[in-house]
Amino acid sequence: DTGVSQDPRHKITKRGQNVTFRCDPISEHNRLYWYRQTLGQGPEFLTYFQNEAQLEKSRLLSDRFSAERPKGSFSTLEIQRTEQGDSAMYLCASSLAPGSGPTDTQYFGPGTRLTVL
Amino acid sequence: AQSVTQLGSHVSVSEGALVLLRCNYSSSVPPYLFWYVQYPNQGLQLLLKYTSAATLVKGINGFEAEFKKSETSFHLTKPSAHMSDAAEYFCAVSLSGSARQLTFGSGTQLTVLP
Repeated sequence: DTGVSQDPRHKITKRGQNVTFRCDPISEHNRLYWYRQTLGQGPEFLTYFQNEAQLEKSRLLSDRFSAERPKGSFSTLEIQRTEQGDSAMYLCASSLAPGSGPTDTQYFGPGTRLTVL
Repeated sequence: AQSVTQLGSHVSVSEGALVLLRCNYSSSVPPYLFWYVQYPNQGLQLLLKYTSAATLVKGINGFEAEFKKSETSFHLTKPSAHMSDAAEYFCAVSLSGSARQLTFGSGTQLTVLP
């Protein structure tokens, strides 16, 4: 399977704990995106990377959230001091950067569902 | 800034009937438009996309959509619904610029009745 993978698929944590999610993009894709999806809503953009550079962050990404893509391959999203409002599905997507190939399509992983008790 | 409005959070059709899911967009520059489908507890799967080529776009599973600039619409259709089409459908827009993050609508839950 050469699609986008995310780990873990489910995470239950207590309020105040830190959590970290991992995303492995499609291998030749140089762009990686994080989205958050709450129940009954469409995904909302959080941040994206081109290679290892984090190029844009949404205002939704509070100071408790940090994302990294240290070697331009996999990425991690950490949430510190989790709150109940952080409960959501966290989706990762990858794509080729403009000019790198014929597609602008983002391919999504299965998501990590976070429940904060 | 761009935005997407999906009219109808829930749509029910009978098996074999026409599926029509509505999407209107707002964009200050020529947009790229996408339809994704999401099955329960899964990520999003691309159905089709419009990137300024043909205005009638054919996708997977018999779905198609037509880009109408004058109406700022990109409605999704399928001539004959199957039970397996039951899922949530999201319309999304990105700008034809450098960032390309997607802005999604709130989704339409499609129910297919036997």
